[in-house]
Amino acid sequence: QKEVEQDPGPLSVPEGAIVSLNCTYSNSAFQYFMWYRQYSRKGPELLMYTYSSGNKEDGRFTAQVDKSSKYISLFIRDSQPSDSATYLCAMTLNTGGFKTIFGAGTRLFVKA
Amino acid sequence: GAVVSQHPSWVICKSGTSVKIECRSLDFQATTMFWYRQFPKQSLMLMATSNEGSKATYEQGVEKDKFLINHASLTLSTLTVTSAHPEDSSFYICRGGGTGLAEAFFGQGTRLTVV
Repeated sequence: QKEVEQDPGPLSVPEGAIVSLNCTYSNSAFQYFMWYRQYSRKGPELLMYTYSSGNKEDGRFTAQVDKSSKYISLFIRDSQPSDSATYLCAMTLNTGGFKTIFGAGTRLFVKA
Repeated sequence: GAVVSQHPSWVICKSGTSVKIECRSLDFQATTMFWYRQFPKQSLMLMATSNEGSKATYEQGVEKDKFLINHASLTLSTLTVTSAHPEDSSFYICRGGGTGLAEAFFGQGTRLTVV
């Protein structure tokens, strides 16, 4: 079993839809949870960063962490064609140094 | 967020030559630099982790003599692909982290094509 599981998609939605992206994990020692957006042939860009269970909102993006279920989500409201990208979840634990595990990434297409 | 500047963004080289990729942390001290490789439509594969002033730690299966990593200062880390071959063609990305900086920040990536 991988430490972090993420459905690679692709996920195709119409413009304006609410998008839900999810990851599950197996290691309860993960302390920090991130979502990155990666456009084709570019480096990943940090979107959201949280360390506690619950919701964190930033504009059209909401990150949700459920540590009891080992499940994290990223919601995108009013999705736009410019949101079309690959979204990577990532989780970090502190083992004397920070170790980060990335999900495989979900490819999202938002159709105009 | 903090910025990691990676250069070049793309490079084409002949088989057998060496290519150097630089990553600079512009507004923070990157005590740790992670180097990744990414194949098309696949996720990030960690190649090595380097800490400023010490030797890099390579992941299993990554040839340390082929992928030379130098992290001589808190703002600069380099990856040199030595004697490059077509199978080394890939997207290479660095990610810089500072002390206590759990999230770290990616460079823009380098598209290497070996012909």
